[in-house]
Amino acid sequence: KAGVTQTPRYLIKTRGQQVTLSCSPISGHRSVSWYQQTPGQGLQFLFEYFSETQRNKGNFPGRFSGRQFSNSRSEMNVSTLELGDSALYLCASSVGQAANTGELFFGEGSRLTVL
Amino acid sequence: AQTVTQSQPEMSVQEAETVTLSCTYDTSENNYYLFWYKQPPSRQMILVIRQEAYKQQNATENRFSVNFQKAAKSFSLKISDSQLGDTAMYFCAFKAAGNKLTFGGGTRVLVKP
Repeated sequence: KAGVTQTPRYLIKTRGQQVTLSCSPISGHRSVSWYQQTPGQGLQFLFEYFSETQRNKGNFPGRFSGRQFSNSRSEMNVSTLELGDSALYLCASSVGQAANTGELFFGEGSRLTVL
Repeated sequence: AQTVTQSQPEMSVQEAETVTLSCTYDTSENNYYLFWYKQPPSRQMILVIRQEAYKQQNATENRFSVNFQKAAKSFSLKISDSQLGDTAMYFCAFKAAGNKLTFGGGTRVLVKP
């Protein structure tokens, strides 16, 4: 069974641009969570989607948004990029709603660099 | 809000030796789950071990075991017979029912040959 797939793996953007990251969960998994990982802040929760609905949301500005499609694939978008948005963005999937079990299967991440 | 604290930023251990990673958390919840996740260099994060708060027995997975002290809100991870492949960042995580997973700051473990 294929794992969680994130694309692109690496990308470089400039301030003010926007970016879209994609995540394909493990087949059969209906929940997708997104995390931002930085050396200074560690792992911070962005949001979780289950059955195309946002179930939980972290403390990030409205520039960060996401969605989930009927096939459980998810995208997150960051608009008006700032230097501080440079990070590894991790996607994780779970069979049921992550809030119920907490056991997540992670992708390798998308490393975003904002210049 | 729940917080998870890992007080050891980095630890090193000789191959075949034992290392213990500390984790404390703060919560007013009674029912919750605790986890240790491992993130090897440039590789994806994987679940190492999981503990339900209502279970008194400490969880064990092969060479990995936990010491769960609910009253003290402590959840340490012991890695026995350390192997080179254990070199990674280790994250302690907490989850109360219906809420998101909250991670600690991580502990970098280096296993030396």
